[in-house]
Amino acid sequence: RKEVEQDPGPFNVPEGATVAFNCTYSNSASQSFFWYRQDCRKEPKLLMSVYSSGNEDGRFTAQLNRASQYISLLIRDSKLSDSATYLCVVNRRGMNNNAGNMLTFGGGTRLMVKP
Amino acid sequence: DVKVTQSSRYLVKRTGEKVFLECVQDMDHENMFWYRQDPGLGLRLIYFSYDVKMKEKGDIPEGYSVSREKKERFSLILESASTNQTSMYLCASSLSQVGTQYFGPGTRLLVL
Repeated sequence: RKEVEQDPGPFNVPEGATVAFNCTYSNSASQSFFWYRQDCRKEPKLLMSVYSSGNEDGRFTAQLNRASQYISLLIRDSKLSDSATYLCVVNRRGMNNNAGNMLTFGGGTRLMVKP
Repeated sequence: DVKVTQSSRYLVKRTGEKVFLECVQDMDHENMFWYRQDPGLGLRLIYFSYDVKMKEKGDIPEGYSVSREKKERFSLILESASTNQTSMYLCASSLSQVGTQYFGPGTRLLVL
């Protein structure tokens, strides 16, 4: 089983739609969760962190369910510019305690917003 | 703004060549990372470094080595390039160990 699993999509939605992505993770000890966005042929960039109580940033809402070990991202009122791949990211410990945390990236969910 | 730069955007090498990929960050970050990204497999961690001269293997270190002689610079070395190392290579840096990772623009490596 992959450490972080996402539906690869693509999700094709019209402008203005609401779309939700889910992500499941396997390590119950994970403490930090993020969503990154990657545009075509570009590097990933942080979209938002995911907090235990859930958090919102404009049209984006992230939720964490520790009991079921899944994370979600909700995008309201989709824009053409939201078209990208969304990466679910979860931390894990390195083997060397001095090394601290590493991040594990899901394979990404591709979103295409159409006019 | 954090800036992470990589020495090349595109690189073509022959099987058996030694390949150096360099990454430089300008924000005094302790942690630096090398990933490769392949379709269907996502980003996979090759190596990371949490301090100068310190390194730790990631998930797929075989065929790679790294060097961190200065805080701002993290190099990935392919000792003898093989065709299965054709990929997009992404470098990243972060200030804290659970903090945001800032990525460079990537190097597309083709090994013939």
